Amino acid sequence: AQSVTQLGSHVSVSEGALVLLRCNYSSSVPPYLFWYVQYPNQGLQLLLKYTSAATLVKGINGFEAEFKKSETSFHLTKPSAHMSDAAEYFCAVSAGGTSYGKLTFGQGTILTVHP
Amino acid sequence: DAGVIQSPRHEVTEMGQEVTLRCKPISGHDYLFWYRQTMMRGLELLIYFNNNVPIDDSGMPEDRFSAKMPNASFSTLKIQPSEPRDSAVYFCASSFSGVNTDTQYFGPGTRLTVL
Repeated sequence: AQSVTQLGSHVSVSEGALVLLRCNYSSSVPPYLFWYVQYPNQGLQLLLKYTSAATLVKGINGFEAEFKKSETSFHLTKPSAHMSDAAEYFCAVSAGGTSYGKLTFGQGTILTVHP
Repeated sequence: DAGVIQSPRHEVTEMGQEVTLRCKPISGHDYLFWYRQTMMRGLELLIYFNNNVPIDDSGMPEDRFSAKMPNASFSTLKIQPSEPRDSAVYFCASSFSGVNTDTQYFGPGTRLTVL
């Protein structure tokens, strides 16, 4: 069975600082991995996805994530935080196999950006 | 494309009343998902459909909850009778199996308050 663990339910950074949101996954098959962002009072929006084409994935708004099979990690980074990045971020892994189509989401990490 | 459409956006009802939430997936998508989001439990998958057929309803909390997908462009989630603990934001999402990446696209959600 697939699972996702997001380390840290809350992360706080200063504007202009590095953003690092951690995600570790467990999967019995080569996974597809996703990061979604949720702004207040909105639905989840796809930030980026890994589908085995390249281990470093670039997404929207300057975010990127690196797939590391040896560490079973898919951490999300952004070199310089902006106030508008304040949101909740979800890591997800595809189930594959007989559960094709289903995503398993992490518990989410709330990112706070302070001036 | 209009994206996933959900209605109503907000619903306030009294305990014991029937509540019906509606979802229109993105045209051409063959998977549809219903999620519930609360502060306490995070994002929970309730049920999902493939080609209008329910595939996995193990997340449906109890018999008070039911979901239907009469055609490819419409789905409902019904709660009867509603209870205060059903208060949450309910999201609908859809995806297309043809690109084989399980990417889900979320609607804006319905905020349900049961008094």
